[in-house]
Amino acid sequence: EVQLVESGGGLVQPGGSLRLSCAASGFTFSTYWMTWVRQAPGKGLEWVANIKQDGSEKYYVDSVRGRFTISRDNAKNSLYLQMNSLRAEDTAVYYCAREPSVEDCNWFDPWGQGTRVTVSS
Amino acid sequence: QSVLTQPPSVSEAPRQRVTISCSGSSSNIGNNAVNWYQQLPGKAPKLLIYYDDLLPSEVSDRFSGSKSGTSASLAISGLQSEDEADYYCAAWDDSLNGWVFGGGTKLTVL
Repeated sequence: EVQLVESGGGLVQPGGSLRLSCAASGFTFSTYWMTWVRQAPGKGLEWVANIKQDGSEKYYVDSVRGRFTISRDNAKNSLYLQMNSLRAEDTAVYYCAREPSVEDCNWFDPWGQGTRVTVSS
Repeated sequence: QSVLTQPPSVSEAPRQRVTISCSGSSSNIGNNAVNWYQQLPGKAPKLLIYYDDLLPSEVSDRFSGSKSGTSASLAISGLQSEDEADYYCAAWDDSLNGWVFGGGTKLTVL
């Protein structure tokens, strides 16, 4: 069974740091793009960042560029999101998702269950 | 303000058909495939439609997707109470070099 399990969320003060992890199983992790998507309380989905199979390409939404770093360890089947200089507006549930593709089309499937990050003093 | 525009809410009676629109631009929908996701209350999102109009094998054929120019639509026929959820469209944006989502549409089955 393809499965993604996020961890590392919690309560952090503004300006603090947090590292999220996503453990993948049931598929060949090293052959897929991977992505992080977040959802603020009562709000819609917002894509955060994604990373190529070998880590050579990374893309970020403008609001986190320079503060967040996406990375992966293919030997450990794990995806990470290092979040620095956290702000109240980063408060959200963070989901990791696999990015399958065909031709030039990617999509997100499956999604993990999410991990909650709260930035507050 | 989302890059892709969806109606905030739609409602329809059971067994009827509803459509949800998603409007974008040439840098996203106009040049890239559209995907749709369903988010049931309190749950993680789930893939519903990919590559504009393709259904994952586990998704009911009551769901269908289409795209024309810079707009896309999700149609749900034979509405059931369990279809009550939030629906999101998404596409890659060539100008932003990132994925963009619609603001989401809340479906209520009357």
